[in-house]
Amino acid sequence: DIVMTQSPDSLAVSLGERATINCKSSQSVLNTSNKKNYLGWYQQKPGQPPQLLIYWASTRESGIPDRFSGSGSGTDFTLTISSLQAEDVAVYYCQQYYNIPWTFGQGTKVEIK
Amino acid sequence: QVQLVQSGAEVKKPGASVKVSCKASGYTFTDYYMHWVRQAPGQGLEWMGWINPASGGANFVQKFQGRVTMTRDTSINTAYMELSSLTSDDAAVYYCAKAAGSSTAWYIDSWGQGTLVTVSS
Repeated sequence: DIVMTQSPDSLAVSLGERATINCKSSQSVLNTSNKKNYLGWYQQKPGQPPQLLIYWASTRESGIPDRFSGSGSGTDFTLTISSLQAEDVAVYYCQQYYNIPWTFGQGTKVEIK
Repeated sequence: QVQLVQSGAEVKKPGASVKVSCKASGYTFTDYYMHWVRQAPGQGLEWMGWINPASGGANFVQKFQGRVTMTRDTSINTAYMELSSLTSDDAAVYYCAKAAGSSTAWYIDSWGQGTLVTVSS
């Protein structure tokens, strides 16, 4: 199974400041045939289901604010919130869909400092 | 728009079974895989498996083999997940989640609201 490890487990960021979440996979999730990284990012607010933010590691889902961006390739990925807003307080998960079984990172809790 | 509406909360005794339904609307049900993901209280997300609504074929995480059944009824655009021999470790919110494509190589783009399953004697 591919193990997904996120860092940090939690972070507190001031409003308007940048938040950076890292995700590392135990093996590459890059498909060299189509050059796509099979990596998604989800946001989960309390009492709600997760919501897709980013897929193929860097493609923003429709309707997601452009302050959210994804980067990385192979085994190392980053989710960046360029200017944290109050409504961004949530837990963020990375997930690989390269291999079955799909696996999620343990989650990163983002709070306001 | 895509909607996945799940059945209501359940309370089950240890050893019992639970069947969660997920009614899809706003898209062609048989064109996209459906996944099941669970989340224990205060914990992270755990992927359980998938079903291909077109064929009924399904696959699950090894740990659920023999205990989980994933089915669908295409006449009413509904997917089902049944988990048997429940223990306290199965207490969780269970989500159905639609894939963005018709294979396992597609991310989840929509989630149901979740079904809370409580296991208590």
